[in-house]
Amino acid sequence: DARVTQTPRHKVTEMGQEVTMRCQPILGHNTVFWYRQTMMQGLELLAYFRNRAPLDDSGMPKDRFSAEMPDATLATLKIQPSEPRDSAVYFCASGLDEKTGTGLPDTQYFGPGTRLTVL
Amino acid sequence: GQQLNQSPQSMFIQEGEDVSMNCTSSSIFNTWLWYKQEPGEGPVLLIALYKAGELTSNGRLTAQFGITRKDSFLNISASIPSDVGIYFCAGRYNNNDMRFGAGTRLTVKP
Repeated sequence: DARVTQTPRHKVTEMGQEVTMRCQPILGHNTVFWYRQTMMQGLELLAYFRNRAPLDDSGMPKDRFSAEMPDATLATLKIQPSEPRDSAVYFCASGLDEKTGTGLPDTQYFGPGTRLTVL
Repeated sequence: GQQLNQSPQSMFIQEGEDVSMNCTSSSIFNTWLWYKQEPGEGPVLLIALYKAGELTSNGRLTAQFGITRKDSFLNISASIPSDVGIYFCAGRYNNNDMRFGAGTRLTVKP
C-alpha cells in the first residue's frame, strides 16, 4: 500500500530557527504539493511541483519559505527564519498528472503531516 | 483560503442515521473529490468524480457531481461511530490547483 511519508511528524522550535520538513511522494507520482492547515484558514496550497519543476508557489511567503525537489523521491519545505505565526500542520501530497498509469488521475494523496510549533 | 462553500460546518448525529453534506462554488470544476481527515492524520481520499451528473459509491458513501459543475454532494448512509472525522470537498479545474472546502466535522453518538 503506497503512501506519502513525511518527516518529522512533530517539530517544536524557537522563533528565528530554521525548520526543514521532508516528504517522500508515492513512487511513480509526478506532482507534489505542499499545504498548510490551520483552524482559521483551513487547507492552503503553498506550492506545487510537476516533474520536479516548481509550477506555482504563489501561496508561499517568499521571504522566509522555500520549497525544492532535489530528486523525484524527496521534496523539502524550509522556513528560515521561523515565526510563531508559522505554527500549523504542513501536509505534503502527491499525485499523477496523467490519464494513464496507476492511481486515480487528477487526485492528490496526502501524507500524515508535520505539526510545527514555533515558540 | 477556501473558495468552496461547504455545509454544514458540523453535524452531531445518532448512530444509524444518514448524513448529507454539500459543497458549492461560483466556479465550475472538472473534478470533485471528497476526503476524510481523522485526528493527527492527513486527508484520505474517499471518492473522486470526473463528470457532471456522475454518481459514485464507496460502501456506505455516495457522492454526486452536480449537473452545473458548481456543486457536489456526499451522503453517508447508516452512520457508525468510526465515521467520525472531518470531511472535505475539493474541486479542480484545469490545473493542479486544488481548492478545498472548510470541512464538515461529523460526530456520531453511539
